[in-house]
Amino acid sequence: GENVEQHPSTLSVQEGDSAVIKCTYSDSASNYFPWYKQELGKGPQLIIDIRSNVGEKKDQRIAVTLNKTAKHFSLHITETQPEDSAVYFCAASMNYGGSQGNLIFGKGTKLSVKP
Amino acid sequence: EAQVTQNPRYLITVTGKKLTVTCSQNMNHEYMSWYRQDPGLGLRQIYYSMNVEVTDKGDVPEGYKVSRKEKRNFPLILESPSPNQTSLYFCASSPGHVVEQYFGPGTRLTVT
Repeated sequence: GENVEQHPSTLSVQEGDSAVIKCTYSDSASNYFPWYKQELGKGPQLIIDIRSNVGEKKDQRIAVTLNKTAKHFSLHITETQPEDSAVYFCAASMNYGGSQGNLIFGKGTKLSVKP
Repeated sequence: EAQVTQNPRYLITVTGKKLTVTCSQNMNHEYMSWYRQDPGLGLRQIYYSMNVEVTDKGDVPEGYKVSRKEKRNFPLILESPSPNQTSLYFCASSPGHVVEQYFGPGTRLTVT
């Protein structure tokens, strides 16, 4: 089945710097790649997603890039702010036999933005 | 307000004592799912439901049961909890299978 690897597990940046989190997936049939942000004491919340027919998607300070050939996708946060501090999860969903599979999550990245 | 609610939020119990964690959504979503979150392991799916009376196993179903008798509710049942089921549990729902999932606030379960 699908396997999603996420790096790094922890990331500390200075306020205003950029942060990049990378994920790789194992099955080339995967075609949906969301990113979730989990703040302390809360459930994960979708922040951006990308489908395999698109190489890049941007929403204000957040962008996601997808390289289907290399089977990896990345989350880019520019001009980081203290409120960006959270745990970020990538995920992938595989299409097999004509049916869309469930989301497989990476292990998460704890991002700390220092003022 | 559109939301997913879980109860209880915190639970400490003993090995073998049956328990149920409730999950309810008010968005008329067809798809619902249960995950457990453990340090260093991320989110792992326990069970999911595509619609009323349709449930299926996720990646870590052992020791858990679910039911989907109504569209809005998707309870998670631990018939005989064990310490290795100590975890943070999340319920989620979505209008379709591969679109944004809305997560509940989580239930922290400790089994002693």
